[in-house]
Amino acid sequence: DAGVTQSPTHLIKTRGQQVTLRCSPKSGHDTVSWYQQALGQGPQFIFQYYEEEERQRGNFPDRFSGHQFPNYSSELNVNALLLGDSALYLCASSRYRTSGGETQYFGPGTRLLVL
Amino acid sequence: QKEVEQNSGPLSVPEGAIASLNCTYSDRGSQSFFWYRQYSGKSPELIMFIYSNGDKEDGRFTAQLNKASQYVSLLIRDSQPSDSATYLCAVNMGGNKLVFGAGTILRVKS
Repeated sequence: DAGVTQSPTHLIKTRGQQVTLRCSPKSGHDTVSWYQQALGQGPQFIFQYYEEEERQRGNFPDRFSGHQFPNYSSELNVNALLLGDSALYLCASSRYRTSGGETQYFGPGTRLLVL
Repeated sequence: QKEVEQNSGPLSVPEGAIASLNCTYSDRGSQSFFWYRQYSGKSPELIMFIYSNGDKEDGRFTAQLNKASQYVSLLIRDSQPSDSATYLCAVNMGGNKLVFGAGTILRVKS
């Protein structure tokens, strides 16, 4: 049973560029959440996708956008990169519940460095 | 006030001792609580989840929840050097949005 997968594992970009990160959820899961983890901090919620729609969003600017495909995989796009966007980007998958609270499992992450 | 607070540590315990990790949260309506372990350079790994007041045990790990005090803890019995990691407390604040604390660094010394 494949777990959550993410690509690429590492990425180096320069300020102003755009980046796309990819995630495939665990088998049987239909919901993908994205988190940003800066060094020494806990993960911060960016947004969540279910049924190809953004369901919830954290306190992140519009430069952060996403997409979910019919096979439940997801992409995170970040435009106009800033130095402060350097972080570990984590994808978490779960099964959707209207009441919430479903356990989330994390992928290995993509480490983004913006120079 | 931060939504989820943890002591950053490091918490140092000798091998074989009990490690006690604590977490407080601000939203009284929170219903589900999670502990994740994160090794340096790796992604968070789920250790336990708890929904009801009281204790929940799984092997060497016990999660404790007190909703009245808005407090959740993780006890690790018979601590091993391989338990050395950062432990993240996460609270579901509605619709599967997890809010994390900054994590507690645990060091188990042999």
